[in-house]
Amino acid sequence: DAGVIQSPRHEVTEMGQEVTLRCKPISGHNSLFWYRQTMMRGLELLIYFNNNVPIDDSGMPEDRFSAKMPNASFSTLKIQPSEPRDSAVYFCASSLGLSHGVGYTFGSGTRLTVV
Amino acid sequence: KQEVTQIPAALSVPEGENLVLNCSFTDSAIYNLQWFRQDPGKGLTSLLLIQSSQREQTSGRLNASLDKSSGRSTLYIAASQPGDSATYLCAVYGNKLVFGAGTILRVKS
Repeated sequence: DAGVIQSPRHEVTEMGQEVTLRCKPISGHNSLFWYRQTMMRGLELLIYFNNNVPIDDSGMPEDRFSAKMPNASFSTLKIQPSEPRDSAVYFCASSLGLSHGVGYTFGSGTRLTVV
Repeated sequence: KQEVTQIPAALSVPEGENLVLNCSFTDSAIYNLQWFRQDPGKGLTSLLLIQSSQREQTSGRLNASLDKSSGRSTLYIAASQPGDSATYLCAVYGNKLVFGAGTILRVKS
């Protein structure tokens, strides 16, 4: 299994530009999570999906952030317009349901720098 | 609101020492607890998952315990090695997965 695949690994963009981060969960996993990691705030859950449906987006910081999961094998996190304070590492994770007895597998992350 | 605290924030030990990392959480209504390892600039690697009905899990030199009623978990690393140097994160799942800030471990050779 290739694990959770995120792209790009690194993204540098200018303030005001649109940024799209991509995630491919592990095949068969039906829950997907987007996290943001910064030195100041640690790991924060932004949004999670179950069976492609957004369940909780209360962690999404602003309307500039949006996430979609059009099918079971793909999700995007979009920031429009981007700001320097959005600079962070964004992680995607997947798990086999919200059954709680199963762990989570994380991707390698996308390091976003907004200048 | 669930809060997860990890102590110590950083730890430096000589190779070969046994060590304990601590994790505490405020809401004991959790389904499971997971310990992760994160190397600099890398993603998170799952180490151990303890379900709420379990007391401990072991994998090689690692042993994690869970006392749900007191809101505590410990990760025990036996015979530490320089390759164990990393940040160790504790995460609890109630209605969402909440992470602690991590313990930065350095094992000196």
